[in-house]
Amino acid sequence: ETGVTQTPRHLVMGMTNKKSLKCEQHLGHNAMYWYKQSAKKPLELMFVYSLEERVENNSVPSRFSPECPNSSHLFLHLHTLQPEDSALYLCASSQIRSGGETQYFGPGTRLLVL
Amino acid sequence: GDSVTQMEGPVTLSEEAFLTINCTYTATGYPSLFWYVQYPGEGLQLLLKATKADDKGSNKGFEATYRKETTSFHLEKGSVQVSDSAVYFCALSDRKAAGNKLTFGGGTRVLVKP
Repeated sequence: ETGVTQTPRHLVMGMTNKKSLKCEQHLGHNAMYWYKQSAKKPLELMFVYSLEERVENNSVPSRFSPECPNSSHLFLHLHTLQPEDSALYLCASSQIRSGGETQYFGPGTRLLVL
Repeated sequence: GDSVTQMEGPVTLSEEAFLTINCTYTATGYPSLFWYVQYPGEGLQLLLKATKADDKGSNKGFEATYRKETTSFHLEKGSVQVSDSAVYFCALSDRKAAGNKLTFGGGTRVLVKP
């Protein structure tokens, strides 16, 4: 595997389910990100992990819970979601040095909440 | 705070036409600037970047020049192909922001017809 991978690619869940999205980066980077991409809305940054510590949490509802067990893996745990949470969830990684570095994105998980 | 504004789409062109997508930004610091492209059903891919004033980023026939005086980073391609049909995102990264955060524009959908 190369680059940034995400599983599953598609997920359908009910509002009472619990599921997790997984992201893995094979680039040796030290920062990872979760973004939400909804139709007709700009990309929304949800969480940032730098050196496995969360450095940004953009007022995301608690039904989204991130986990970064090491520098290569990032999870997004989902529970009691709402239909408006249906979106494409993108993971990205970067190597932070002095700032302004490129982020590399995975293909995304298309989530549908029924 | 930082913001990115890009022209709304969709932009519909014929093959071999000239493409311009305008992008302007507001930033408190001295950002790096990026263009990302998203093909149907995929995640975002870096198209090009520029890290300082007057830098020109280029890739796959696309170009953009970092214009500090006009706070702009317009994307251009001289002769588009059907395969260039995608959504294009302008973004900035403030070097001083924690976690190398990216701020995205709303995206511009481009459709190239044969």
